[in-house]
Formats: sequence, C-alpha cells, structure tokens
Amino acid sequence: EAGVAQSPRYKIIEKRQSVAFWCNPISGHATLYWYQQILGQGPKLLIQFQNNGVVDDSQLPKDRFSAERLKGVDSTLKIQPAKLEDSAVYLCASSLGQGRSYNEQFFGPGTRLTVL
Amino acid sequence: KQEVTQIPAALSVPEGENLVLNCSFTDSAIYNLQWFRQDPGKGLTSLLLIQSSQREQTSGRLNASLDKSSGRSTLYIAASQPGDSATYLCAVKAGTASKLTFGTGTRLQVTL
Repeated sequence: EAGVAQSPRYKIIEKRQSVAFWCNPISGHATLYWYQQILGQGPKLLIQFQNNGVVDDSQLPKDRFSAERLKGVDSTLKIQPAKLEDSAVYLCASSLGQGRSYNEQFFGPGTRLTVL
Repeated sequence: KQEVTQIPAALSVPEGENLVLNCSFTDSAIYNLQWFRQDPGKGLTSLLLIQSSQREQTSGRLNASLDKSSGRSTLYIAASQPGDSATYLCAVKAGTASKLTFGTGTRLQVTL
C-alpha cells in the first residue's frame, strides 16, 4: 500500500514570496491533515479536511495561509506571502475517517521550507 | 487547553538496555493516544495507538501503557538497538474529530 506522498521535499524561498505544497493521501483515506513542525517542537495542526470539507482550521493563519482539497483526494497548502517564521517542516497526514477504528494517522515525509 | 509534556528531552543509552520514555498530558478526557517515531529529516511513523478504554498496546519490542486518570503514558523499549535512535513523539486526541496534540519529543540515541 502506497503511503502519503508530498512534494516538493525541500523548498527555499525569500520572505514575501509565495510557495505551495502538495499532498496525496493514502488511497481511500477520507481525512487529511496539514501540520507545521518548527525545529525542536512537536507538529501543530494547521487544517483538517473530512473529504473536501474543512473540519478544523482554527490554527491556520488565514491572512497568509490557504489550503484546499477540491475533489476530496489530494490537497494543496499555500503560503502567500511567506515570513521568516514560516520556516518549518510541513507534514501531511491522512486517516481512514473519524470513527474509533479509523483514527490512526499516517504521515508523509514532509516538506522542509526555509524562508530567507 | 491540552498540553503534552515529554521527559526527558534527550536520552542516550548503551545498546541492549531496556528504557522507558514518558509522556504526560493535562486533560485526562482523551479519545486515544498515539506514539510516533521521527527520524532526522523524515516524517512520522506511527508505532502504537492506545484507545481511551485500553491500558496498553504491544508491538514487538515496544510496549505502551496508558493511565488516563493520572494523565500519563509510557513507551517501553526492550533490548534497545542502534536502529532505535530517533525522536519519539506522543500525541493525544480529545475526541473523534479532534486534532492530535503533540509533545515536543524525546530524542533517543542508542550507542554501540
């Protein structure tokens, strides 16, 4: 079974530039998550999708971050414009659903963003 | 607000030792708890998931316990190997649709 795919793996941009990350979850997984992991910290949830609807985006800085999952499969996370403090690893995860048996989250390799 | 703490932040042990990693959380009303492993520059690999009604889960040399009332979980690694060197993260979920709240991790090094 293929895992969660993310691209690019690394990205270096200058502040005020825009950047987009892509995630393809495990086939059949209805729930998709984007996390931000700053060096030395645990991942922090940015946004959670159930199919193509947003379940939780309470920690997403909506003035500069946006995310979509139009067809309920793959997803794109965008930052526009980027700030120095956005330097982090952006992790995508997916799970089958939200029921008790389907809660386990599987993570992709992440995209390491450096903002100069 | 749920807070998750992991102690110690870093640990170095010789190969073959048994070890325990600790995770504590402030709100005992959790749905489940998950332990992950993260290798440098890589994503997270799920190791064990414990539902709120369970006391422990085992997978190979790994055993995770959960004590909801005291807000604690431990990850026991038996007969440690150099390949176990990684950062171990615990995360709790408050409800079926809730997000995972992560600790800051324990960086483990197993030396030859």
